Order: sequence, then C-alpha cells, then structure tokens
Amino acid sequence: QKEVEQNSGPLSVPEGAIASLNCTYSDRGSQSFFWYRQYSGKSPELIMSIYSNGDKEDGRFTAQLNKASQYVSLLIRDSQPSDSATYLCAVNLGGGSNYKLTFGKGTLLTVNP
Amino acid sequence: DAGITQSPRHKVTETGTPVTLRCHQTENHRYMYWYRQDPGHGLRLIHYSYGVKDTDKGEVSDGYSVSRSKTEDFLLTLESATSSQTSVYFCAISDRGSHEQYFGPGTRLTVT
Repeated sequence: QKEVEQNSGPLSVPEGAIASLNCTYSDRGSQSFFWYRQYSGKSPELIMSIYSNGDKEDGRFTAQLNKASQYVSLLIRDSQPSDSATYLCAVNLGGGSNYKLTFGKGTLLTVNP
Repeated sequence: DAGITQSPRHKVTETGTPVTLRCHQTENHRYMYWYRQDPGHGLRLIHYSYGVKDTDKGEVSDGYSVSRSKTEDFLLTLESATSSQTSVYFCAISDRGSHEQYFGPGTRLTVT
C-alpha cells in the first residue's frame, strides 16, 4: 500500500530552538516532495518543495531528502510562536506523469514562548 | 490563496439532500483536485481533473461525483448527503510540469 507516514506529535519546542519534522514514504520511485503548513482552521500552504537528494534551504526552513532511505525532513531554525501549526508532508508517489499527491496525517508543532 | 475560491464557505444540510460545492480558479491551471480533511485521517483525495471534461477517482470517491465543463470551474456533488460526509472540503490546483498544489480556503460542510 502506498503511504506517507509522519509522527503525529504533538511536538513541542521552546522559542529559538530547532524543530525537526520527519516523514517516510513507501514508493522508492517517488520524485517530488513537499512540506505544507496548516494553521488551525485554515487551508494548507506550500512552504517547501524538494526534488533532489540533499538539503534545500529557504530562510529558517531546511528540507532534507534521502531517497535511498525514503525519508524527507523539515528543519525549522530559530523557531517562533508563529510557527505553531500542523505540518503536512506530501509526496508524488511513484513519480512520472502521475499528478496526484499523497499526504501524511501531519505533525502538530507547538513553539512555546 | 493563489486565485482559488470555494463556495459556499460554510453549509449545513440535512441527510439525503443533494449538495454541490464549487471551486473556481483564475490561474488557468490544468489540474484540479477535491480533498476532504477529517481528524485522524488527514487530507484524502476524492476526485481530480486533468482537463476539461477529464476526471478520475481518488481514494475516497464513493458517494461523490464531479464535473468540469470549463478550465476555471470544478464542481463536487454529493448526490444524497450522509452524516459521514460531514467534513472540511478543500480544492487544490496545479499546473502541467509541476506537482506543486495550491489550496483554496475550504468549505466546512455539516450534514445533520
């Protein structure tokens, strides 16, 4: 069964710390990986895309991809209370011309002042 | 919200009544998707469209139908609403050459 798995949390970190969010996926042929942030009562917002092994940095956010281990992570440096949200991992399982994404159930992050 | 609107934003309806939700985009993107989001289940794909009049089923399509007669509009219909269809429904869009999806604001549907 094709799956995307995330720790449900909640993950609680103090303000200024690094928050680490993890995601594993089932299909080794997957090519595109995404992180979405969803505030309570709002729609998911795309914050990071990653397609190649290694790290991709955007401001305080770093996405890390390891295709051999079928693992993608999101690091949030200098965490702020405004980062408190649910983070969704999404994968284009199998890649190719398939334009569907499979989402994990999300990890709730709380950043404490 | 990347030029995506959903209507209505909130709806309460009774079991057995038909319901249609509308997604409208101004981005001229090829692909459109309907998801439902429920506690403990995350986002699940109901139906998607890869062009005008071209649609396909997602993982939770039973009880739902869709139509896309124009690039900008994607309709989701519950022929006879049931309480299990109480949920938050999100529309999303993406364009050819990219798997990035952008979401509309959502519709909260309650079936009593």
